[in-house]
Amino acid sequence: DQQVKQNSPSLSVQEGRISILNCDYTNSMFDYFLWYKKYPAEGPTFLISISSIKDKNEDGRFTVFLNKSAKHLSLHIVPSQPGDSAVYFCAASASPSGTYKYIFGTGTRLKVLA
Amino acid sequence: DAGVTQSPTHLIKTRGQQVTLRCSPKSGHDTVSWYQQALGQGPQFIFQYYEEEERQRGNFPDRFSGHQFPNYSSELNVNALLLGDSALYLCASSLGPGGIGGYTFGSGTRLTVV
Repeated sequence: DQQVKQNSPSLSVQEGRISILNCDYTNSMFDYFLWYKKYPAEGPTFLISISSIKDKNEDGRFTVFLNKSAKHLSLHIVPSQPGDSAVYFCAASASPSGTYKYIFGTGTRLKVLA
Repeated sequence: DAGVTQSPTHLIKTRGQQVTLRCSPKSGHDTVSWYQQALGQGPQFIFQYYEEEERQRGNFPDRFSGHQFPNYSSELNVNALLLGDSALYLCASSLGPGGIGGYTFGSGTRLTVV
């Protein structure tokens, strides 16, 4: 049972345009969400997080939106740069239950075309 | 400031053998989580160590065990290796089990079981 789903395995975007990466989850107990970026031969790198008490969080070119009723979150990258080309994972956890294990999606490979 | 260090980077083992993977957390971090990432999948939570105890565990058999040392470094042991254990094993460190603000991942150990 895949509790965190990234239904788009890949995405191509022109440099300077907006990249939108989507993530859906099924467990209503999830209350903390993270996005990670992964380059080949490297470990995932933390990008941005959002708590369920918010519906938006921004950090520079990266914005994460959370729609709790739809159990959906998205990562917006504006403007997209070639260096953003990587695999992006969303991850979720349910902290009130005391379980801090993060459930990861399967990832979306973003390619930013110069 | 050294990040998370994992060793070895690559390893080839035969079915039925045992393997030990090692992780040194980022300076200042006291919690280590281990993840298994199969090809084309997102990282899957194995277990988490805090205060030298296993705090959380994912859906992995008892063949997977670990240890955390007083200096916060950690080992992942896998006994009776199966072909399906071939994967990238990621170690992530954080300050506290909650990992609020995100974990710092190492580059991983690529285990191949033949």
